[in-house]
Amino acid sequence: DIQMTQSPSTLSASVGDRVTITCRASQSISSWLAWYQQKPGKAPNLLIYKASSLESGVPSRFSGTGSGTEFTLTISSLQPDDFATYYCQQYDSSPWTFGQGTKVEIK
Amino acid sequence: QVQLQESGPGLVKPSGTLSLTCAVSGGSVSSDNWWNWVRQPPGKGLEWIGEIYHDGTTNYNPSLKFRVTISVDKSKSQFSLNLNSVTAADTAVYYCARGGSGGSYGLPDYWGQGTLVTVSS
Repeated sequence: DIQMTQSPSTLSASVGDRVTITCRASQSISSWLAWYQQKPGKAPNLLIYKASSLESGVPSRFSGTGSGTEFTLTISSLQPDDFATYYCQQYDSSPWTFGQGTKVEIK
Repeated sequence: QVQLQESGPGLVKPSGTLSLTCAVSGGSVSSDNWWNWVRQPPGKGLEWIGEIYHDGTTNYNPSLKFRVTISVDKSKSQFSLNLNSVTAADTAVYYCARGGSGGSYGLPDYWGQGTLVTVSS
């Protein structure tokens, strides 16, 4: 299985901050990488697919970059609604696997 | 708007079988989509269980492969998960989700609300 490792595990930030989360794959996954946002008690919500494509309806302050084994999710200006846990997921080869999550907390 | 709703027992005894159903509305299980199960142990991360296409083709996570069966019932617009020989480690919130189409093909884009299944005697 491809292992996905996110950093940091927890991130404390303020409204308006620029936030970056990193995801590393244990082997190359080309651009087959997605990002999800999950709020407590809710299902995950797809934000980005194919490393950098924004899902319909997702605010443009979210962006993704990377290819191969290293990827980033950036929130350009953190909003109150963005405090949540973020997961990366590879879909290059089955089984699809997720990172362990990054919790974005209020500073 | 596609909606998915999980249903099934919230408590299963150890060594028993966990059975859940996902009802799909606002869309068709016969569409060009994969239908997924994903689970999340309390306070932990996400684990993909498997997926099914309307023709019955399945893909399973090898870590669960010998215990899991996913099936689809087109007449009832639903798909189901059976997981046998359960232990406490299978306690989790179970989500059903639709795999997207277009650029995000296969990626879960619509999710059910999730249902907590506890394995305990």
